[in-house]
Amino acid sequence: AQKVTQAQTEISVVEKEDVTLDCVYETRDTTYYLFWYKQPPSGELVFLIRRNSFDEQNEISGRYSWNFQKSTSSFNFTITASQVVDSAVYFCALRGGATNKLIFGTGTLLAVQP
Amino acid sequence: DTAVSQTPKYLVTQMGNDKSIKCEQNLGHDTMYWYKQDSKKFLKIMFSYNNKELIINETVPNRFSPKSPDKAHLNLHINSLELGDSAVYFCASSQTRLAGGWNEQFFGPGTRLTVL
Repeated sequence: AQKVTQAQTEISVVEKEDVTLDCVYETRDTTYYLFWYKQPPSGELVFLIRRNSFDEQNEISGRYSWNFQKSTSSFNFTITASQVVDSAVYFCALRGGATNKLIFGTGTLLAVQP
Repeated sequence: DTAVSQTPKYLVTQMGNDKSIKCEQNLGHDTMYWYKQDSKKFLKIMFSYNNKELIINETVPNRFSPKSPDKAHLNLHINSLELGDSAVYFCASSQTRLAGGWNEQFFGPGTRLTVL
């Protein structure tokens, strides 16, 4: 069975703080794909990143960075110097290699206070 | 230009009615999806079509019937609406990679369905 766990239901930080959103996944597939999506208060789902299981290289995009560790089945997301506009629900998702079904975690609500 | 569009954005209706939600994508993708997001923000896939063929059909009441007239469209028809159908419904699309593997899914803006 495939599963994504986002243990942090809500996180509140003050602007300019760094924050890490945790994601732990379970899958028996040897090839799989991990994703992060952002859902701001306006409601749309915005794609942030895709990571293939055979590529453990970490990635940085501006203030965003992702740490993929197969040994701990984790794909954590860090926002550096958070801003109020980062306030949103963030979803981690998993897609097995043999299926195009996207399994979402329950999301983490990030509130960045000014 | 809108990549994945859905209509309507809001839908308020009475129990027992039949309603449809339309989805269109102009990304040239070959796969489309319907997801349901409940009041606790939990997102779950309902259906997926690849080149107009149904490839994912989750445990969804048969009151829900998807229809894909072509690759760019995937509509969702719901019969005999119930209170529990109230949710946000998202359409999404993606492109199968020729070399294998999957590209990310792009989501529409969502349709908020309220059943009274």
